[in-house]
Amino acid sequence: QVQLVQSGAEVKKPGASVKVSCKASGYTLTDRHMHWVRQAHGQGLEWMGWINPKSGDTEYAQKFQGRVTMTRDTSISTGYMELSSLRSDDTAVYYCGKSYGGPGLDHWGQGTLVTVSS
Amino acid sequence: QSALTQPPSASGSPGQSVTISCTGTTSDVGGYEYVSWYQQHPGKAPKLMIFEVSKRPSGVPDRFSGSKSGNTASLTVSGLQAEDEADYYCSSYAGSNSLVFGGGTKLTVL
Repeated sequence: QVQLVQSGAEVKKPGASVKVSCKASGYTLTDRHMHWVRQAHGQGLEWMGWINPKSGDTEYAQKFQGRVTMTRDTSISTGYMELSSLRSDDTAVYYCGKSYGGPGLDHWGQGTLVTVSS
Repeated sequence: QSALTQPPSASGSPGQSVTISCTGTTSDVGGYEYVSWYQQHPGKAPKLMIFEVSKRPSGVPDRFSGSKSGNTASLTVSGLQAEDEADYYCSSYAGSNSLVFGGGTKLTVL
């Protein structure tokens, strides 16, 4: 069965960077886009962007352009999301998700809590 | 892009039907047949319930149905059950390889 397992919780200081990993199993990573979505506590879902693991092509939400980088390592079926210049309002749970083949996510990781605090 | 507009809350009694709306623009909901709906229980990851406006993934009960008219998409939950109590989010393709989510609706089963 498809599983996406994310790395553990992180605590970062303002201005630092964080890199979250998402290991895929049960399907071939390069067969589907991987999306990243975040959710601040008590708030809604916010789409950050996607990566095509086959080509490495990326598309980022305008809000995050210049601060986010999505990469992948196909040899270990893992995608990564790095967010830089962290601010307190970046505190959120970050999810990776597998595309169903269109613009939607049919499997999600368990989420990674990133806390930004001085 | 601006978030899609959903009512903050909805409610219904067990066995009843409830419909949640998701309003966008011609640049997202109205322009494409790519609306998805997700269910999220507290502390859990979202789960895909509907994709491409009205299609159900395998394993999703047929009590869940989706539709769209113009710039507004809708999710209907029929025969409400206690386990349907959750937050529901719509999303839409918004052109230029981007996605946009709605603000979410908290569904309460009375």
